[in-house]
Amino acid sequence: GQNIDQPTEMTATEGAIVQINCTYQTSGFNGLFWYQQHAGEAPTFLSYNVLDGLEEKGRFSSFLSRSKGYSYLLLKELQMKDSASYLCAVKTGRRALTFGSGTRLQVQP
Amino acid sequence: DAGITQSPRYKITETGRQVTLMCHQTWSHSYMFWYRQDLGHGLRLIYYSAAADITDKGEVPDGYVVSRSKTENFPLTLESATRSQTSVYFCASGAGRENQPQHFGDGTRLSIL
Repeated sequence: GQNIDQPTEMTATEGAIVQINCTYQTSGFNGLFWYQQHAGEAPTFLSYNVLDGLEEKGRFSSFLSRSKGYSYLLLKELQMKDSASYLCAVKTGRRALTFGSGTRLQVQP
Repeated sequence: DAGITQSPRYKITETGRQVTLMCHQTWSHSYMFWYRQDLGHGLRLIYYSAAADITDKGEVPDGYVVSRSKTENFPLTLESATRSQTSVYFCASGAGRENQPQHFGDGTRLSIL
């Protein structure tokens, strides 16, 4: 079976740094994606990791450890517009993604 | 404009009715997907398609039918809607290459009374 775990909710302060963790146990692994989803909107792609290590893209970074089945998304210099749900997804097979339930991040002033 | 569009955005129907959700993409992506999103479950794959006339089941296919006669269209049909199919439905497309993400449409919010 497939199991992807993320915290349900997190709260952080504007200007701060927040780390959103994702652990996975899947029958296959062909890469891990992070998506951002604002309420009532479509998920939008943030990052992709397939090799161990850190991928940096502006204020957002994503880390992967395949041996530990672990990833995190790091958001720096938080802004109010970063309030959204963050979805961790593993490409487990041919082309489809298996998603975690998402982490709802609330950024406070 | 290039992109992926879903229609309708909102739909209310009754149990037992047939309803079709439309999805159209202009990127010429090979792969297309249908997901449903429910509280506490995240996005779950219903069906996907690797090319025209090639479809395959996902995690939750029961009660749904898909077709793909043209690369750009991937309609999802609920043949006899049930209340448990009330959900937000997202269509996505992707080029299929390993590091290429899926791109999502704006979703269809479906309520079945």
